[in-house]
Amino acid sequence: SQTIHQWPATLVQPVGSPLSLECTVEGTSNPNLYWYRQAAGRGLQLLFYSVGIGQISSEVPQNLSASRPQDRQFILSSKKLLLSDSGFYLCAWKLSTTEKRGYTFGSGTRLTVV
Amino acid sequence: AQSVAQPEDQVNVAEGNPLTVKCTYSVSGNPYLFWYVQYPNRGLQFLLKYITGDNLVKGSYGFEAEFNKSQTSFHLKKPSALVSDSALYFCAVETGGFKTIFGAGTRLFVKA
Repeated sequence: SQTIHQWPATLVQPVGSPLSLECTVEGTSNPNLYWYRQAAGRGLQLLFYSVGIGQISSEVPQNLSASRPQDRQFILSSKKLLLSDSGFYLCAWKLSTTEKRGYTFGSGTRLTVV
Repeated sequence: AQSVAQPEDQVNVAEGNPLTVKCTYSVSGNPYLFWYVQYPNRGLQFLLKYITGDNLVKGSYGFEAEFNKSQTSFHLKKPSALVSDSALYFCAVETGGFKTIFGAGTRLFVKA
């Protein structure tokens, strides 16, 4: 069965520090991978998506970047965190753009920048 | 512009009563429609989907949703609410591209 792992679950980081959040998927190959941010416990903002190794599409110009060094690994990074980067970060995957089963989401990382 | 609207920030219902969480959409073509549920400090979980066929679709935990093409709506329903149904619910629309349009979410509160 397919599973998605996201870590850490919570993170408190000072302003100006770097960030690295990791997401891995098991039990499938060549998934579409996504990073979403959820602010204030409500709507989802798509940050990045990837359809293959090394292929990253950015939705929102900001302080964050993403990388996909392996087929089932998706990393969200920042060189210098801002207070506004605080939020709940969710990784998700789908088999393809026409996948009819919808997304499978990770359990999320709550990032607090202080 | 394509959009998904969940007009209610919060829905309050007594346990045992029927519940409805509303969703309307504005997209071109024939969309795929989804409902997800999110419990506190967790990721979203898939509840149900409409792709084609019968307008009434059944999903997890006793939930169902009715697709209405003329009203461009996809309301989530359950005949008898449970306290454990209290959570944040998201309607989502996919049009076959890489992106999904999510609604802003509706918080469901079921009172014992």
